[in-house]
Amino acid sequence: GAGVSQSPSNKVTEKGKDVELRCDPISGHTALYWYRQSLGQGLEFLIYFQGNSAPDKSGLPSDRFSAERTGGSVSTLTIQRTQQEDSAVYLCASSRLAGGGWETQYFGPGTRLLVL
Amino acid sequence: KNEVEQSPQNLTAQEGEFITINCSYSVGISALHWLQQHPGGGIVSLFMLSSGKKKHGRLIATINIQEKHSSLHITASHPRDSAVYICAVPPYNTDKLIFGTGTRLQVFP
Repeated sequence: GAGVSQSPSNKVTEKGKDVELRCDPISGHTALYWYRQSLGQGLEFLIYFQGNSAPDKSGLPSDRFSAERTGGSVSTLTIQRTQQEDSAVYLCASSRLAGGGWETQYFGPGTRLLVL
Repeated sequence: KNEVEQSPQNLTAQEGEFITINCSYSVGISALHWLQQHPGGGIVSLFMLSSGKKKHGRLIATINIQEKHSSLHITASHPRDSAVYICAVPPYNTDKLIFGTGTRLQVFP
């Protein structure tokens, strides 16, 4: 079946602009995660959605970052007033359930964001 | 100190060699994940384990929960194994992953 898809695959924007990144999880997966990977650095958690529960936003680096998940499926990560340090690959993952760490996460191909 | 430490950071090997990558963590967890990231960037889940050992083809993962340590072994390494291997843990009762910095493996023919 189809995996996790993300769009756009690449995004170049100017400092100060807002960007929206989209994630389509695997159909039927109730948990959805956003991570980012900055150049030369490891992966870091941003936010995750678990069914109808309030999202865990503990990894969002600033209030310029927000995310929503509509209808329990598609998710959008929004970065307002982008800064150069926001340049990174933004990865989305989904899992069948949110099970306290027991579920395999399936990753999308990522969106490469470059802020000029 | 990072909550998840991996070693080595970089590893080169000749085809056929036995490879070991280590991961230590400091948080309480229910399971540990090993991921593989290929040069193109895609990330694939290799293993999820909470005790003992798991084997998939030439890959073997072990974990010692008491010592908070896991190892990933590759037997008879091949150039196609060249990738970044990442250890990740979800703290107790959460699903968000905390990642190690990764081990970049290059296997030469």
